[in-house]
Amino acid sequence: QLQLQESGPELVKPSETLSLTCTVSGGSLSSTYYYWGWIRQPPGKGLEWIGSIYYSGSTYYNPSLKSRVTISVDTSKNQFSLRLSSVTAADTAVYYCARRRDGYRGWFDPWGQGTLVTVSS
Amino acid sequence: QSVLTQPPSASGTPGQRVTISCSGSTSNIGSNYVYWYQQLPGTAPKLLIYKNNQRPSGVPDRFSGSKSGTSASLAISGLRSEDEADYYCAAWDDSLSGRVVFGGGTKLTVL
Repeated sequence: QLQLQESGPELVKPSETLSLTCTVSGGSLSSTYYYWGWIRQPPGKGLEWIGSIYYSGSTYYNPSLKSRVTISVDTSKNQFSLRLSSVTAADTAVYYCARRRDGYRGWFDPWGQGTLVTVSS
Repeated sequence: QSVLTQPPSASGTPGQRVTISCSGSTSNIGSNYVYWYQQLPGTAPKLLIYKNNQRPSGVPDRFSGSKSGTSASLAISGLRSEDEADYYCAAWDDSLSGRVVFGGGTKLTVL
């Protein structure tokens, strides 16, 4: 059973960089069949796609966040990571990682449990 | 403002059939598959429907999806109290170099 787990600081100061890691267990991140992605959800609001990555390092980013986002992969650790720079209070959200099926246009399944990151001084 | 448009709320009584709509455009629903996710209170979203109308294993056949043109719908028949959740539609959008777009979500209340 594939599982994903997000980890990282729960509190980030404004203007700093948010960094999260997603650890994949029960399966290989190096599989040629899947992409891997990050999605966020501000408190009480809807879902927003941040970006996706293939095991080779190929990435797709949300155009509205592209200038601040970097997603990377470490196949040796079966992990992929998110960095979001110059954060503001608007970046406060629950951040989810998920596996992407059927290519970069496909669906997210399964999802990690999510981690709440608060941007505040 | 979400790219895909969903009603913010829907409701029904146990046993009823409820439908949730999702409206988009030619660059997303009109040319790509639609996906539906269920988010129970306090939990992560879970895949409910993929490729417009396909159910993952474990999802009851009370849930069904359909697509026509630039709109899609999720139908829930035989409504149960445990179906009370937020439901999100999603699709790939070919504009702006490509991106995933979500609907704003529909909160389903079982009366």
